[in-house]
Amino acid sequence: SAVISQKPSRDICQRGTSLTIQCQVDSQVTMMFWYRQQPGQSLTLIATANQGSEATYESGFVIDKFPISRPNLTFSTLTVSNMSPEDSSIYLCSVVRGWNTEAFFGQGTRLTVV
Amino acid sequence: DAKTTQPPSMDCAEGRAANLPCNHSTISGNEYVYWYRQIHSQGPQYIIHGLKNNETNEMASLIITEDRKSSTLILPHATLRDTAVYYCIVRVLIQGAQKLVFGQGTRLTINP
Repeated sequence: SAVISQKPSRDICQRGTSLTIQCQVDSQVTMMFWYRQQPGQSLTLIATANQGSEATYESGFVIDKFPISRPNLTFSTLTVSNMSPEDSSIYLCSVVRGWNTEAFFGQGTRLTVV
Repeated sequence: DAKTTQPPSMDCAEGRAANLPCNHSTISGNEYVYWYRQIHSQGPQYIIHGLKNNETNEMASLIITEDRKSSTLILPHATLRDTAVYYCIVRVLIQGAQKLVFGQGTRLTINP
């Protein structure tokens, strides 16, 4: 298994501001992903965090709104920029160690934008 | 888009086996079926995965049909703590990376 620490666990932010969420893993992993879960909905993949290069974004998500960093094999950040109430969601970090192995998820960051 | 279809909700009596179906008729030959569950306000928890053979672990059993177009997750003796949303996911290869694309899942309620 993998121990994933996400910070903060929750936050209430003013619209127009930005929040950076951190994801720290207890050991090196091959892949790291960021998901969004809007209230009452399933998880939606935002992007794949690539070490040392730009993240790979899914359709509907852009770097200007959700900049992602991954400086090494155990750490990544997701920033939610210029927030609006529609960004209120749970944001989850997920990691994978190897090909066709299970993914592990952090406990998520519950973001409320007011 | 998710490649799976699940019933939106199911009920099961405590102590009985819970059988959760999933259809994945467009699955490709090298794509695995994964099952996760999410208990309220927590991150998804891995349950089991398989390619074409039936699989069993300490949590559950996974039965995959011979044509691989559907599968069933079996919780042999459901408890109240098994109440959760269960996601059946086909892990797809997109742009050289394996990704989990979540569908809407099945909300399983275990009744006392």
